[in-house]
Amino acid sequence: DAGVTQSPTHLIKTRGQQVTLRCSPKSGHDTVSWYQQALGQGPQFIFQYYEEEERQRGNFPDRFSGHQFPNYSSELNVNALLLGDSALYLCASRTEESGGNTGELFFGEGSRLTVL
Amino acid sequence: GDSVTQMEGPVTLSEEAFLTINCTYTATGYPSLFWYVQYPGEGLQLLLKATKADDKGSNKGFEATYRKETTSFHLEKGSVQVSDSAVYFCALSGSGNTPLVFGKGTRLSVIA
Repeated sequence: DAGVTQSPTHLIKTRGQQVTLRCSPKSGHDTVSWYQQALGQGPQFIFQYYEEEERQRGNFPDRFSGHQFPNYSSELNVNALLLGDSALYLCASRTEESGGNTGELFFGEGSRLTVL
Repeated sequence: GDSVTQMEGPVTLSEEAFLTINCTYTATGYPSLFWYVQYPGEGLQLLLKATKADDKGSNKGFEATYRKETTSFHLEKGSVQVSDSAVYFCALSGSGNTPLVFGKGTRLSVIA
């Protein structure tokens, strides 16, 4: 049973470019969340997708957008990259029915983005 | 808004030493509390959780008790091993379907 998988694992971009990160949730999971983890910091919530719609959003600008596909996989897009966008981007999944504030999130290993 | 404060690291201990990592929180209502662990080269994984006051979460020899009166959820282990070396994150989730709020993490290194 594959867990949460993310791609690419590492990538380097320059300021102003755009990036797309991909996530396949754990088998059986239908809810996907994205987090940004800057160096030496804890993960910060970007947004959550369920039934192909953004359901919740953290305090991130509109340059950050996402998508969820019918097979529950998800993409995170960041436009007009800034140096401060350099971070580890984490995808996490769960089942909707395990949700609320008691459910466990399953995390991928992350995509490390470096913006030069 | 909701927040989590945990002790800064890094923490370096000898094998079999006692571990405490302090965590306090600020939240409205009755949050659920979690400890996640990030081993080198791996994704975050849930270590333990507690969903109401006075609950004790435990796993792999680690324990944490939800203390509402002191808004704390300190992580403890009686005898650490080299394999416990990792970054530990305290987190909370508020009432309803709210996303996890993480602390900054505490890096633990255990030396033989």
